[in-house]
Amino acid sequence: KAGVTQTPRYLIKTRGQQVTLSCSPISGHRSVSWYQQTPGQGLQFLFEYFSETQRNKGNFPGRFSGRQFSNSRSEMNVSTLELGDSALYLCASTNGGGTGSHYGYTFGSGTRLTVV
Amino acid sequence: AQSVTQLDSQVPVFEEAPVELRCNYSSSVSVYLFWYVQYPNQGLQLLLKYLSGSTLVKGINGFEAEFNKSQTSFHLRKPSVHISDTAEYFCAVRNSGAGSYQLTFGKGTKLSVIP
Repeated sequence: KAGVTQTPRYLIKTRGQQVTLSCSPISGHRSVSWYQQTPGQGLQFLFEYFSETQRNKGNFPGRFSGRQFSNSRSEMNVSTLELGDSALYLCASTNGGGTGSHYGYTFGSGTRLTVV
Repeated sequence: AQSVTQLDSQVPVFEEAPVELRCNYSSSVSVYLFWYVQYPNQGLQLLLKYLSGSTLVKGINGFEAEFNKSQTSFHLRKPSVHISDTAEYFCAVRNSGAGSYQLTFGKGTKLSVIP
């Protein structure tokens, strides 16, 4: 069974630009969550999607957005990049909803974004 | 709101010695508890989880954790560590109720196994 795939693995962007990150969940998983990991703040929840609907959102500015497609693949977008957005962005999937959602999340290897 | 405190940011231990990584949580509702491991330049791998039932949970790679509701703790243990256990370990909680699917993580504990 293929794992969670995140692309690209590494990205360098300039302040003010925008960026789109992609996440393909495990086949059959309908819930996708995004997390930001930085040395200072640790792992912070961005948002979670299930069946193309955002179910939960973390405490991040509106520059951070996401979406989920009908095949459960998800993208997150960060507009007007700031230096502080440099981080490892992790995507996680689970079969979500009902009793399946507590079986733990499977994480991808992440996209390391560097803003210069 | 929930919070997770990992009491040690770094834990050095000699190879084949036992180790305990401490985790305390705060929550006003019932929670599920998880331990994840992160190797350099990789994502998070689930070690074990507590959902309900027996308070002693066994996971992969010889790790186990004990849920203590009265002390709101979920400490991770391994009786004999190997060099390959060198990594960062994260404790996480999730509201066990429906409608809340986000994980709240601790700041992590870096385990260094010394040969």
